Amino acid sequence: EVQLLESGGGLVQPGGSLRLSCAASGFTFSSYAMSWVRQAPGKGLEWVSAISGSDGRTYYADSVKGRFTISRDNSKNALYVQMNSLRAEDAAVYYCAKEMAVANYYGMDVWGQGTTVTVSS
Amino acid sequence: QSVLTQPPSASGTPGQRVTISCSGSSSNIGSNTVNWYQQLPGTAPKLLIYRSNQRPSGVPDRFSGSKSGTSASLAISGLQAEDEADYYCAAWDDSLTGRVFGGGTKLTVL
Repeated sequence: EVQLLESGGGLVQPGGSLRLSCAASGFTFSSYAMSWVRQAPGKGLEWVSAISGSDGRTYYADSVKGRFTISRDNSKNALYVQMNSLRAEDAAVYYCAKEMAVANYYGMDVWGQGTTVTVSS
Repeated sequence: QSVLTQPPSASGTPGQRVTISCSGSSSNIGSNTVNWYQQLPGTAPKLLIYRSNQRPSGVPDRFSGSKSGTSASLAISGLQAEDEADYYCAAWDDSLTGRVFGGGTKLTVL
């Protein structure tokens, strides 16, 4: 069964850091690009970042550029996002999602259950 | 303010056909394919349409997508109570070098 399982969410103070992880199983992880998508309470979906499966090329939303770093370890079938300088507006449920191709972004066909990040003092 | 524009709400009665629009620009919908997601309350989003008009396996053919110029639409025929959910369109944006979402449309089945 194809599955994604996020972890690492929690409560962090403004200005703090957090690292989210996503464990993938049931598919050839290195053959697919991966993305992070977030959803603030009561709000819509916001794409955060993506990384290709082949050359590791990365992409970021302007709202997180310079603060978040996406990475992957194909040997561990794992996706990560390092979040620094966190702000109140970064509070959200963060979803890990599998793209449908190695380096094209025309759909995310598998989603994790999400992990919640709360930013508060 | 989302880069892609969707109506905030839509509604229909069981059996009816409803459409949800998604408007963008030349840098996103105009030059890339569109995907649509369904999000039931309290759950993760689910891919409904990719490459503007393709359905993943398991998605009923009641759901269909189309694209013309810088706009796209999702059509749901034979509306069912279980279709009540939030629907989001998305596309890659070449200017932003990232994916953009619509603000979402809440579909109510009356």
